[in-house]
Amino acid sequence: DAGITQSPRYKITETGRQVTLMCHQTWSHSYMFWYRQDLGHGLRLIYYSAAADITDKGEVPDGYVVSRSKTENFPLTLESATRSQTSVYFCASSEAGRRDYGYTFGSGTRLTVV
Amino acid sequence: GDSVTQMEGPVTLSEEAFLTINCTYTATGYPSLFWYVQYPGEGLQLLLKATKADDKGSNKGFEATYRKETTSFHLEKGSVQVSDSAVYFCALLNSGGYQKVTFGTGTKLQVIP
Repeated sequence: DAGITQSPRYKITETGRQVTLMCHQTWSHSYMFWYRQDLGHGLRLIYYSAAADITDKGEVPDGYVVSRSKTENFPLTLESATRSQTSVYFCASSEAGRRDYGYTFGSGTRLTVV
Repeated sequence: GDSVTQMEGPVTLSEEAFLTINCTYTATGYPSLFWYVQYPGEGLQLLLKATKADDKGSNKGFEATYRKETTSFHLEKGSVQVSDSAVYFCALLNSGGYQKVTFGTGTKLQVIP
């Protein structure tokens, strides 16, 4: 099915572990984004990508790594998870240059770091 | 830089009440404006949009008018239902740079029977 898929839906990991959150989109959108959503902070941009092999930092990139070797995939890796990274993570995509097109979001990954 | 300010929530209404959620923005140029809705446990979904001044976006009984003179994009619905309970985000997309959408902090709406 067309859309944007995040996996896993839920994840519990231990402090210090590496964990990767997956994001896959089927529209061939140029732009992809990673946000985290926390109570009291709204949505905060972690990283974004304008195209394959082009990524850049958002507001809160520390402790995260991204890659984009293919247009459709944009994984987010927590190199050494900390409790402060407990959050709900959303991936989004968008078409370049379209002013009438906002973002399409995935269903989110709820990550708990214990 | 660009910013979006929404009214603080939560907003609690009885079913069939009139809804207004205020949204104002600061931006250079002529941004596009959006309202997103997030139901519990889900991602954000585009609710409606407007790309130029005086445009009215509408969907599912919700409406918002792009008012450049007051830099506002207030969300309204004439008669809310319990199923409208969700968090609503106002957002803008400006031209130039990357395809960056600036989001408001969200307003939680609870509709009680």
